[in-house]
Amino acid sequence: NAGVTQTPKFRVLKTGQSMTLLCAQDMNHEYMYWYRQDPGMGLRLIHYSVGEGTTAKGEVPDGYNVSRLKKQNFLLGLESAAPSQTSVYFCASSIDRYEQYFGPGTRLTVT
Amino acid sequence: DQQVKQNSPSLSVQEGRISILNCDYTNSMFDYFLWYKKYPAEGPTFLISISSIKDKNEDGRFTVFLNKSAKHLSLHIVPSQPGDSAVYFCAASWVDKLIFGTGTRLQVFP
Repeated sequence: NAGVTQTPKFRVLKTGQSMTLLCAQDMNHEYMYWYRQDPGMGLRLIHYSVGEGTTAKGEVPDGYNVSRLKKQNFLLGLESAAPSQTSVYFCASSIDRYEQYFGPGTRLTVT
Repeated sequence: DQQVKQNSPSLSVQEGRISILNCDYTNSMFDYFLWYKKYPAEGPTFLISISSIKDKNEDGRFTVFLNKSAKHLSLHIVPSQPGDSAVYFCAASWVDKLIFGTGTRLQVFP
């Protein structure tokens, strides 16, 4: 099992550009999550999904959109990137609302 | 309003001694707590958890204590090893998600 994978691992964007981060899991988990990690801020939840076709807002959803068209994939979109979105993004999945399995992260820089 | 707080950004401990990492929370409705460990350039990995109906849970060198009246939990690592050097996050389960603290960087020196 690959667990949770994230694509890409690194990306540099210019302000105003758009991009999509892909998260995939092969554990048949219902729950999937997108976090961002910033220095001194811990892990903050952006959006999450409790099953295929569902999405919900987390703590810091502004500037991001998500889609869960297939159970194994959870996409995070940035329509118009801003320097404040420079961060490390982690995807996670879980079988229930407790123990989450994290991907290796995507380091995004917006200039 | 931060519901899960880790007030110590860093902790330095000698190898072989005990490491104690602390976490405070504000919501008495949290029913499950977890600790995660994170190495640089990797995703967090689950370490140990505790249900709110218990006050202690052990797994090898790791023990988590929960004091519900004080809304406080702690992670004890005994004995500490250099490989334990990492950032540790505590998290509380709420509805369908986890709320994380800001993390404590543990350094274990020889």
